[in-house]
Amino acid sequence: DTEVTQTPKHLVMGMTNKKSLKCEQHMGHRAMYWYKQKAKKPPELMFVYSYEKLSINESVPSRFSPECPNSSLLNLHLHALQPEDSALYLCASSRVGTVSYNSPLHFGNGTRLTVT
Amino acid sequence: AQTVTQSQPEMSVQEAETVTLSCTYDTSESDYYLFWYKQPPSRQMILVIRQEAYKQQNATENRFSVNFQKAAKSFSLKISDSQLGDAAMYFCARRGGSGGSNYKLTFGKGTLLTVNP
Repeated sequence: DTEVTQTPKHLVMGMTNKKSLKCEQHMGHRAMYWYKQKAKKPPELMFVYSYEKLSINESVPSRFSPECPNSSLLNLHLHALQPEDSALYLCASSRVGTVSYNSPLHFGNGTRLTVT
Repeated sequence: AQTVTQSQPEMSVQEAETVTLSCTYDTSESDYYLFWYKQPPSRQMILVIRQEAYKQQNATENRFSVNFQKAAKSFSLKISDSQLGDAAMYFCARRGGSGGSNYKLTFGKGTLLTVNP
């Protein structure tokens, strides 16, 4: 069983739709991440939240809007996506702090997104 | 650039045999961390093993061990007594040791491991 839960597992949306991906963890981690993964490629970092504040935005288009309402939840709001945005979206979490620099990322099972 | 290179796109091994996956990396930092993750068809990224750069001793986790050569910037993964469940995509990854680089996990392109019965 994964300790990071992502919903939905699969999502098909049109280019004019608005949808949201959700991620939840209860490990007490204060850093949460969104990654995008295309088929047979490594994950690419999109956003990092640390203590519920956006720390890193890897120049992601504004049609992707992250939100961290509390320390356990992370959302990714999607609007006006393009077919090339179809991918596996992975959420991850980790500890934060000087004593936790080697803290590994714990990943969820991902949401398989298809944009039609 | 802080890159991670996996030179073997695909590898295969017979069940119960040993296989070694290669990884090299480039970094200007003195403090960093290295990881191997596996991603089976179920999609979840699973941590296999981790190594702190300041530690000289190679990490081991049951059938999994690493050969960490800091001067050569090499971090290979050895899987002993391979099992069918080991079949997956394996990613080598590096994480910085301080500041913003600590949040960034840089992945290699991956090695697809097939285990033959």
